[in-house]
Formats: sequence, C-alpha cells, structure tokens
Amino acid sequence: GQNIDQPTEMTATEGAIVQINCTYQTSGFNGLFWYQQHAGEAPTFLSYNVLDGLEEKGRFSSFLSRSKGYSYLLLKELQMKDSASYLCAVRSTGGFKTIFGAGTRLFVKA
Amino acid sequence: NAGVTQTPKFRVLKTGQSMTLLCAQDMNHEYMYWYRQDPGMGLRLIHYSVGEGTTAKGEVPDGYNVSRLKKQNFLLGLESAAPSQTSVYFCASTSRLGGDTQYFGPGTRLTVL
Repeated sequence: GQNIDQPTEMTATEGAIVQINCTYQTSGFNGLFWYQQHAGEAPTFLSYNVLDGLEEKGRFSSFLSRSKGYSYLLLKELQMKDSASYLCAVRSTGGFKTIFGAGTRLFVKA
Repeated sequence: NAGVTQTPKFRVLKTGQSMTLLCAQDMNHEYMYWYRQDPGMGLRLIHYSVGEGTTAKGEVPDGYNVSRLKKQNFLLGLESAAPSQTSVYFCASTSRLGGDTQYFGPGTRLTVL
C-alpha cells in the first residue's frame, strides 16, 4: 500500500530551529516535495528532493534518504509567519500521481 | 499572469443538486489535477489529465466526472451532490514530470446540505 506519515502538530519558539519528519511507503518513487499551506490558502512549493542528501534554500532545508523512506524539513530562525501546515508529498514513478501526507501543523510562539 | 484560477470560491448545494467547478491556467501546462482536502486527511487526488482531451481516475473518483476540452481548462463535475462531498477542492497544474512543482489554485469551499 501507499502511506505517508508525518506528525500531526508541532510547536516551536520564534528564532529556534524545528525539524519536521516524514516517512513514506509508496509503489515507486520519483521525487519528494514539501509544501507550505497557511490556513485557508492553497499549498505553495517549498522544496524538491529526488536524490539522497540535503537541499538547502535559505532558511529551509530538506533531506532525503530513499533507502529508509525518510525525509525531513528543517526550518531555521523561525518567524511567526512560519506558522502553517507543512505537507510532505511523494511522486510515483511514471510521474502522473503525487501522494500527499496529512500535513504537520506548526505553531510558532513568541 | 494569473497562474491557476478556480471558480467559484464558495458554494452551498443541497443533496442531489449538480454543479461544475472550473479550473483555468495560463501557464501552458500539460498536466492538471483535481484534489479534495478534508481535515486530517491531506490532499487526495480525484482525477487528473495529462493533456487536452485525456483524463484519468485518481484515488477518490467516485461521484465526480471531469473534462479537458481545452488545454487551459479542467472542469470537475458533481452530478448528484452528497454530504460526503463537502470539502475544499483544489486544482493544480504542472509543466513536466521532472522537478517542476504543482501550482495550486486558491480552492473552492463546497458545502453539501
């Protein structure tokens, strides 16, 4: 079967670092995405990993281990505006379908 | 460049009524998708299209139909709405199968009474 697991909620302090984990079991793999979704809005793209390792983009980094079926999103220097849901998504081989996790709701407190 | 647009933004239906949700993109993307998002369940793929005139079923296609008569438009139809179809519907498009992200529309919030 296909399954993506990520924590339901996390809380962190402004200025701190937070790591959001994602584990997946899918039939085929052709890339992993992280999206950010503020309440009442559409998801927006954050990062994409297709090879093992770390991808860094400003305050956000994403890591992938294909052999472990594992990824994480690292957010540094947290800001209040980072309070949002973070969606982990895996694209299957063939490329037509992307399976989304239920999302992790991150609360950033002052 | 409007990106991906959806109409309507909100709609309330009675059980058994029908409606069509319209998605339009001006990025010349080949691939288009319809998702629904329910609390605690993430985004689930309803139907998708890999090009004009082609459509395919996703994870949860029952109760929905789609059409892609023009490359820029992807329509989602509910023939006989049910309360279980109360959800937020997102349309998305992408240009190719590699690293390109999916671009999402703003969503349609549908309530079926």
